[in-house]
Amino acid sequence: AQTVTQSQPEMSVQEAETVTLSCTYDTSENNYYLFWYKQPPSRQMILVIRQEAYKQQNATENRFSVNFQKAAKSFSLKISDSQLGDTAMYFCAFMNPNTGNQFYFGTGTSLTVIP
Amino acid sequence: AAGVIQSPRHLIKEKRETATLKCYPIPRHDTVYWYQQGPGQDPQFLISFYEKMQSDKGSIPDRFSAQQFSDYHSELNMSSLELGDSALYFCASSPTGLASGNTIYFGEGSWLTVV
Repeated sequence: AQTVTQSQPEMSVQEAETVTLSCTYDTSENNYYLFWYKQPPSRQMILVIRQEAYKQQNATENRFSVNFQKAAKSFSLKISDSQLGDTAMYFCAFMNPNTGNQFYFGTGTSLTVIP
Repeated sequence: AAGVIQSPRHLIKEKRETATLKCYPIPRHDTVYWYQQGPGQDPQFLISFYEKMQSDKGSIPDRFSAQQFSDYHSELNMSSLELGDSALYFCASSPTGLASGNTIYFGEGSWLTVV
């Protein structure tokens, strides 16, 4: 079974600053996909960013970028220029297309952006 | 852009009653997923359907059943409800070819409260 670990239950950052959320995973597969989802107080699950394991280049989406270290099985999310609207729970997720369509989620990191 | 539509958004049922949740995927998405998120928990995969056939099964109790219809909408039926079934139930959809790296898009969720 795949496991996804988010070791930071809670984090906070000053508005306009940069914060990094960590995620590690365990798999013996070579081909897989990694995602970060954001869940604001409304509880909606919103895709933030995704990374294909076969790509060495780190994915970026505006203020969001990842540091994907395949050998270390690490997938951290960096949020630059943090905004109040970034306050949310962030879930790291793993998907292995060879074993079905399940997404395996970490336990989440609650991020608070402080004005 | 059209999103995943779930209904009802909120539902209150008594123990031992039955509840049905509905999900309408994004147009041209043929795969539907159901996730259960308990209070303070990460989303747990229940079941998924591809082209109206069950494709994956997760931690779905035997009291629950689901199906996908010809128009690709899906329904999650929950019987003999227990207090522990109180949770946010997400439906998600994806286009054909999840293995190619498509992601899943979540609906806003249906809140079920069992009293």
